[in-house]
Amino acid sequence: SYELTLPLSVSVALGQTARITCGGNNIGSKNVHWYQQKPGQAPVLVIYRDTNRPSGIPQRFSGSNSGNTATLTISRAQAVDEADYYCQVWDSGTAVFGGGTKLTVL
Amino acid sequence: EVQLVESGGGLVQPGGSLRLSCTGSGFTFSSYWIHWVRQAPGKGLVWVSRINSDGSSRSYADSVKGRFTISRDNAKNTVYLQMNTLRAEDTAVYYCARDSGTYGYDWVDPWGQGTLVTVSS
Repeated sequence: SYELTLPLSVSVALGQTARITCGGNNIGSKNVHWYQQKPGQAPVLVIYRDTNRPSGIPQRFSGSNSGNTATLTISRAQAVDEADYYCQVWDSGTAVFGGGTKLTVL
Repeated sequence: EVQLVESGGGLVQPGGSLRLSCTGSGFTFSSYWIHWVRQAPGKGLVWVSRINSDGSSRSYADSVKGRFTISRDNAKNTVYLQMNTLRAEDTAVYYCARDSGTYGYDWVDPWGQGTLVTVSS
C-alpha cells in the first residue's frame, strides 16, 4: 500500500519560514492536498492539488510537488499557524494521509 | 454557509453496532460525493469510506470492509455509516467531509465537527 512520510514535528521561529515535506514514491505524479488541524477541531483544507490555496487561506501558505517530495511552505509563520498538518493523496481507490506533523511556532 | 454535521456517536460494547449520520446544508447535497474519515485518540487521519452522489457507488478501507456500510438519503440531505461488529480499534472521532471533484478522488472540504465513537466494555 502507498505510504506518505511526514516528520513528526517541525519548529519555526515566529516570522520565519516553515517547510513541511511529505515523502512518497513518485508523489510528483499525484495530486497532493494539505490539511491543518488545531486541537479539538476538525481539519481545514489549506492547499489543494499541490499548489492551490482555498479562499480564506492566507497567502503565506504555499505548496509544491515534484519527484518524491511534496512541500507545504508557511512563510512569515504566525502563532495561529501552530497546528498539526497532514498531506493526502489518492492511490488505488483509497485516500492516504500522512501521519501528521506538529508545527510549533517559537 | 456550507456545513456538515455528524451525529450518532457514543459508547458501544465490542461486537455492537452504531449508525452515524452526516447531514449537509448550504449546498446541493445530492451532487456531491461524501467521505467518512476517522481519527483515533492522539492519532492521525484515516480514510474509512465514500459514497457517490446518488448512492450507486461505494468504497471502503480494508479495515472496515464487510463490517461498515455507507448509504445516503438525498431527500434528507444525509449520509449514514452503519457500523457493525465494532472493535476497540474502531474507537475514534468520525468525520464526514465533502469531496470537491466529480469522481470522488479529489480534496475534501469542508469537514464536519466530528462525532466520537467509543468501543469499550
